[in-house]
Amino acid sequence: AQSVTQLGSHVSVSEGALVLLRCNYSSSVPPYLFWYVQYPNQGLQLLLKYTSAATLVKGINGFEAEFKKSETSFHLTKPSAHMSDAAEYFCAVSDTGTASKLTFGTGTRLQVTL
Amino acid sequence: GAGVSQSPSNKVTEKGKDVELRCDPISGHTALYWYRQSLGQGLEFLIYFQGNSAPDKSGLPSDRFSAERTGGSVSTLTIQRTQQEDSAVYLCASSLTPGNTIYFGEGSWLTVV
Repeated sequence: AQSVTQLGSHVSVSEGALVLLRCNYSSSVPPYLFWYVQYPNQGLQLLLKYTSAATLVKGINGFEAEFKKSETSFHLTKPSAHMSDAAEYFCAVSDTGTASKLTFGTGTRLQVTL
Repeated sequence: GAGVSQSPSNKVTEKGKDVELRCDPISGHTALYWYRQSLGQGLEFLIYFQGNSAPDKSGLPSDRFSAERTGGSVSTLTIQRTQQEDSAVYLCASSLTPGNTIYFGEGSWLTVV
């Protein structure tokens, strides 16, 4: 069974500050890992994904995440937050066997303040 | 179409009524998924279709929930005898094949009163 834990249901940062959203996973097989973003009243949009290639994954809108097997982590970062980054962020895992079902974390709401 | 299309975008129904939610996946995508997003439960997997294979129904919460996919394209999620706890956003997604990027629709907001 796979699971994802996102630490912090709400994160607030100042505009221009570093964004760090935490995600730890549990999987009995090598995982695929994903970060999705959901803007208000919209569906989920893929930010980036890890599928066992490079451990540092770059995504859209300046976000990146690093897969650390030893820490079972896949934290999402962005060097400088913009007001437009305010949204809810979901980490998800699927196993490489089926790669069909995503198990999501509970989400982290990012607030960006002036 | 360009993306995953869902209808209706909003539905208010009375407790005990049946509802149907429709999903039109991205053209050519063989895999189709339904998820539910509700307060307190987060995002839950409901059902997965892949080509002509038997669907993975392991996430359906009760026998009031069913889904079909006709002709390998459009899918309908049916909830019978709706209950207030069924109120949620029902998200459909598709991918070219399993393992490829999963693209989500904007969801159908269901409110049971």
